[in-house]
Amino acid sequence: KQEVTQIPAALSVPEGENLVLNCSFTDSAIYNLQWFRQDPGKGLTSLLLIQSSQREQTSGRLNASLDKSSGRSTLYIAASQPGDSATYLCAVRARGNTGKLIFGQGTTLQVKP
Amino acid sequence: DAGVTQSPTHLIKTRGQQVTLRCSPKSGHDTVSWYQQALGQGPQFIFQYYEEEERQRGNFPDRFSGHQFPNYSSELNVNALLLGDSALYLCASSLRTGETTFFGQGTRLTVV
Repeated sequence: KQEVTQIPAALSVPEGENLVLNCSFTDSAIYNLQWFRQDPGKGLTSLLLIQSSQREQTSGRLNASLDKSSGRSTLYIAASQPGDSATYLCAVRARGNTGKLIFGQGTTLQVKP
Repeated sequence: DAGVTQSPTHLIKTRGQQVTLRCSPKSGHDTVSWYQQALGQGPQFIFQYYEEEERQRGNFPDRFSGHQFPNYSSELNVNALLLGDSALYLCASSLRTGETTFFGQGTRLTVV
């Protein structure tokens, strides 16, 4: 059974700092992995999608990496801003399974001005 | 493109009642999934619809049912509401090929 874990559960950093959010999964047979952002009480906004054959994806100040063999993904945020404050969720889609996303519990990030 | 739209945004129901939540997928998407997100938790998969049929189901009781219409929109129905059904219900759409999944803004259901 695939399980996804995100550590830490919460993180507080000063503005301008570079930071890394971690996501680990127990079964390396994944189709892809997606990072989302969620503002309080809102839906999920897709940030980056990494296919199982890829090692990383970049969008602006965000960079996500994937290491299937170790069951890990990281989301790197450069030069953090107060507007980055939100909960970040990672989700894996199992190989051969074109539907279900399995989520971690998220990391709640606070960037202080 | 309006993206994934859900209605209503908020809902308050009494224990034992029934509720229907609605979702319109992103333009061009043929697959709709529903997720339940309790406070402080990650979303949990309820079920997925494709070609108007339930294709996958998570670990949810039969009180949770759904439907997909020919225009790909979908409904989630919950019968005999329990206090524990209070959560944010998220609709997600994608292509059957399983690429990027997009979510709606959610429906906040409160059962009292």
